[in-house]
Amino acid sequence: SQELEQSPQSLIVQEGKNLTINCTSSKTLYGLYWYKQKYGEGLIFLMMLQKGGEEKSHEKITAKLDEKKQQSSLHITASQPSHAGIYLCGAGRGYSGTYKYIFGTGTRLKVLA
Amino acid sequence: GAGVSQSPRYKVAKRGQDVALRCDPISGHVSLFWYQQALGQGPEFLTYFQNEAQLDKSGLPSDRFFAERPEGSVSTLKIQRTQQEDSAVYLCASSWPRQETQYFGPGTRLLVL
Repeated sequence: SQELEQSPQSLIVQEGKNLTINCTSSKTLYGLYWYKQKYGEGLIFLMMLQKGGEEKSHEKITAKLDEKKQQSSLHITASQPSHAGIYLCGAGRGYSGTYKYIFGTGTRLKVLA
Repeated sequence: GAGVSQSPRYKVAKRGQDVALRCDPISGHVSLFWYQQALGQGPEFLTYFQNEAQLDKSGLPSDRFFAERPEGSVSTLKIQRTQQEDSAVYLCASSWPRQETQYFGPGTRLLVL
């Protein structure tokens, strides 16, 4: 099973609607990253959360990390076609001199004009 | 440029061919990572460099995969005797230092026929 589970796997919303994407971890999150990816392109960094209860916003996107640091949500207010893409949550894993990110499988968002 | 760059952006190889994928990290970034992203999946870790030292290559799927970063900046991922299952997007990311946010390049889309 995936260490990071995202839900929903895909989402189609009408322009102007709000939406929420969830990311749940089987382990405590010490750094949770949200990225956006458009088809054929790399990952664009959105936000990073570290502290339990932390919340950050950028334009119409808000991300939260729960107090227990095992779940994060990404909320988009008044969605626009430009929000369409794949949203990925990632977590840092470091041990014995190494470091890497693990990722969820992504949430594919389509916004209908 | 200010971001991570990768070349080529697209590569079509015949099964059995060798390929080399290049990554130019953000100037001054000590840490460099390679990830493999299969269609419909999140990126999966391949290998990690700190300067020129390859500190973790646990994600490389077979001994046909080889990565280097001889001078601590540009990195090359080489795949020998490509197989169809190697078809994927190969993403490079860099950060300073390793625990900081990783910034991704646009990726190289490899198709093995």
